[in-house]
Amino acid sequence: TQLLEQSPQFLSIQEGENLTVYCNSSSVFSSLQWYRQEPGEGPVLLVTVVTGGEVKKLKRLTFQFGDARKDSSLHITAAQPGDTGLYLCAGNNAGNMLTFGGGTRLMVKP
Amino acid sequence: DAGITQSPRHKVTETGTPVTLRCHQTENHRYMYWYRQDPGHGLRLIHYSYGVKDTDKGEVSDGYSVSRSKTEDFLLTLESATSSQTSVYFCAISESGGGANNEQFFGPGTRLTVL
Repeated sequence: TQLLEQSPQFLSIQEGENLTVYCNSSSVFSSLQWYRQEPGEGPVLLVTVVTGGEVKKLKRLTFQFGDARKDSSLHITAAQPGDTGLYLCAGNNAGNMLTFGGGTRLMVKP
Repeated sequence: DAGITQSPRHKVTETGTPVTLRCHQTENHRYMYWYRQDPGHGLRLIHYSYGVKDTDKGEVSDGYSVSRSKTEDFLLTLESATSSQTSVYFCAISESGGGANNEQFFGPGTRLTVL
């Protein structure tokens, strides 16, 4: 059973558009991470959010952790072709393991 | 980049044969993980290790075994490969293992095809 649901699964947009990716769960997580994966490579950590309501910005990427620590969103402003990739959210519930969502595959067309 | 290598990078094998994948790290991290990645499923944890000779099962451990005799090496074995084990396998390492600082560093992956 997948505990983290990501939406949308696929997203194809034009360069310059804005987008939001969602990561939802019925479980509470002590922290949540976002990874980005390019074809043929392993995922790379973008950000970790810990506090309910926390907002973190990484250049054109804005990450938010829900107040109840059950959901998160990733917003990209003015998307660029270099943003193309698979975006994965992963929740940590205070154990030694991460639970990953199914991923959102983003394609940004020039 | 974290020093993680996986071998082999690609393998094609036949149903019923044993297969061993190797993960090697040079970071001296305590925690090591094996995941499989399939379309629509993200990453699913197979087994993980929290120290030499200390391992535990993950979400999809059936049909897989692991061993860790040295800090730097974590082996994943498919005793008798099946077509359902065709996947891309990723190894990951982590210094802390839990909490807000559980950043996992991933290897480049091994693409396994079982015919």
